[in-house]
Amino acid sequence: GDSVTQMEGPVTLSEEAFLTINCTYTATGYPSLFWYVQYPGEGLQLLLKATKADDKGSNKGFEATYRKETTSFHLEKGSVQVSDSAVYFCALSRGFGNEKLTFGTGTRLTIIP
Amino acid sequence: DAMVIQNPRYQVTQFGKPVTLSCSQTLNHNVMYWYQQKSSQAPKLLFHYYDKDFNNEADTPDNFQSRRPNTSFCFLDIRSPGLGDAAMYLCATSSAWTGGRNEQYFGPGTRLTVT
Repeated sequence: GDSVTQMEGPVTLSEEAFLTINCTYTATGYPSLFWYVQYPGEGLQLLLKATKADDKGSNKGFEATYRKETTSFHLEKGSVQVSDSAVYFCALSRGFGNEKLTFGTGTRLTIIP
Repeated sequence: DAMVIQNPRYQVTQFGKPVTLSCSQTLNHNVMYWYQQKSSQAPKLLFHYYDKDFNNEADTPDNFQSRRPNTSFCFLDIRSPGLGDAAMYLCATSSAWTGGRNEQYFGPGTRLTVT
């Protein structure tokens, strides 16, 4: 079945550091890929998405590229801020409206000033 | 702004006392989902509605039920909450009319405490 494997956390970085959170997936066909972010005590917010190979999703300085050859969708940001501290979930969906999201286990990110 | 609303944000119930959580949406999405999220874990899908069609996950306990009286509202009923049901409950919506590449929009969640 479908699965998503995320980099183990927690991850602690200093402000302005470069961030990479690794995500790989196992799925047949061409799933859509997502990064969701969850701030403490809140629901999930869609951070970015990519729906086909070589697509790059980007938002708020975060980027991730859909790499079918390596089945990866790594999240990157060039310069993190304290406000980026949150839990990040990589997820996939087969699409077509009513397919469920398959989530990774989440990576807790803490940015220190 | 169009959004997904969950009420209440915090709910305390007693062991075995039925409880209902509510979700409403102004996005006019035809698919609505309920997830359970325990501490430091990923959300776990309980069930979803595709329009009026109910789709239960195979491992969702019978203790959990859902109702969707109209497009905008969806309810999660826990018939006899146990201590193990304490969790954050997340409602999400998506549209089936986006060419098959849906994203889900989440509400802020309801944190359920069972005493």
